[in-house]
Amino acid sequence: DAKTTQPPSMDCAEGRAANLPCNHSTISGNEYVYWYRQIHSQGPQYIIHGLKNNETNEMASLIITEDRKSSTLILPHATLRDTAVYYCTLSPYGGATNKLIFGTGTLLAVQP
Amino acid sequence: DTEVTQTPKHLVMGMTNKKSLKCEQHMGHRAMYWYKQKAKKPPELMFVYSYEKLSINESVPSRFSPECPNSSLLNLHLHALQPEDSALYLCASSQEGRDGYNEQFFGPGTRLTVL
Repeated sequence: DAKTTQPPSMDCAEGRAANLPCNHSTISGNEYVYWYRQIHSQGPQYIIHGLKNNETNEMASLIITEDRKSSTLILPHATLRDTAVYYCTLSPYGGATNKLIFGTGTLLAVQP
Repeated sequence: DTEVTQTPKHLVMGMTNKKSLKCEQHMGHRAMYWYKQKAKKPPELMFVYSYEKLSINESVPSRFSPECPNSSLLNLHLHALQPEDSALYLCASSQEGRDGYNEQFFGPGTRLTVL
């Protein structure tokens, strides 16, 4: 299974943009990049996914490099409620199931 | 309804007990998952069901026995567990989307303590 590497922790000031990097140098051509987050003591929550184009939704933006070996999740205006562990994962395109292998994630601490 | 529910929220059991964890979703998803999460660690995949059939078993010990009685329900039967099996057990469900992506919806988990 392809792996991802993320910094273990990051800080961000409330109201500023949070940029969370992820390296996935062994990504295969048919693999999506998925981002999930887990707020303390809750189940993980889907944020966004992408294949090769940049993506944006109501929660975040995802920037994927042209070679697809790394990506950055952007929370444009971080709030205290965004404090969580953020996981970058890879999974093949298509199929009835989605085998997610979570890496160690980044603990984002949003400071007031 | 975009919710995955899990019961019980907390469970304490002895090593000789038999207990079951329950997971339910009413989103019409045909894939369901069990994960185990130890403190300060990422979730680890245990089992995957697709259309009510077990499709992935990540070499989980036989003291954990999954069951999918219908498309909305997923159980995890526990027997003769060890203290190191204490963890948060997460259930998830998913359905393949039009563009081939597959978002998983997670439940809140069952916090299991084995004495």
